[in-house]
Amino acid sequence: DIQMTQSPSTLSASVGDRVIITCRASESITSWLAWYQQKPGKAPKLLIHKTSSLESGVPSRFSGSGSGTEFTLTISSLQPDDLATYYCQQYYTYPYTFGQGTKLEIK
Amino acid sequence: QLQLQESGPGLVKPSETLSLTCTVSGGSVSFSSFYWGWVRQTPGKGLEWIGSIHHSGYTYQNPSLKSRLTMSIDTSKNQFSLSLSSVTAADAAVYYCARLPNWGALGRFDSWGQGTPVTVSS
Repeated sequence: DIQMTQSPSTLSASVGDRVIITCRASESITSWLAWYQQKPGKAPKLLIHKTSSLESGVPSRFSGSGSGTEFTLTISSLQPDDLATYYCQQYYTYPYTFGQGTKLEIK
Repeated sequence: QLQLQESGPGLVKPSETLSLTCTVSGGSVSFSSFYWGWVRQTPGKGLEWIGSIHHSGYTYQNPSLKSRLTMSIDTSKNQFSLSLSSVTAADAAVYYCARLPNWGALGRFDSWGQGTPVTVSS
């Protein structure tokens, strides 16, 4: 199975900060990577697919980049509503696998 | 607006079979452009893909669960289901049903149910 490793595991930032979350795959997944946001007690929500394609309705402060084995999710200006845990997921090959999550805290 | 709703017993005894159903509203499980799938979440293992099914009958299942997993789809009821046999404490989780668009590449989950917690205990 392809292992997905996110860093950091926890991140504390202030409103207005630029936030970067990294996701590394144990082997190349080309560009088949998705990012999800999960708020406490809720289901995950798809933010980005195919590395950098923003889902409809997702604020433009979210962006994704990368290829191969290294990917990033960037929040350009952190907002209070962004308090959540963020997950990456590869869908290059079966079984689909997820990162362990990055918990984003607002200072 | 698409909605997915999981249903099933919240408590299952060890060695028995876990059965869950996802009812879809605001869309059709017969639409060829989508697969329908299951993901579970535990504090220890995080998010784990279980399997995906198309109304045509095609299924893709996580090899770690395949020997115990049965997936089905009922287009007349607009539902899809999973059965996981011989459950143990390791199968206790929040189970989500979700939709997977079948363009670009299959594998992203673009709409989710609210999730249903399952406990395994005698």
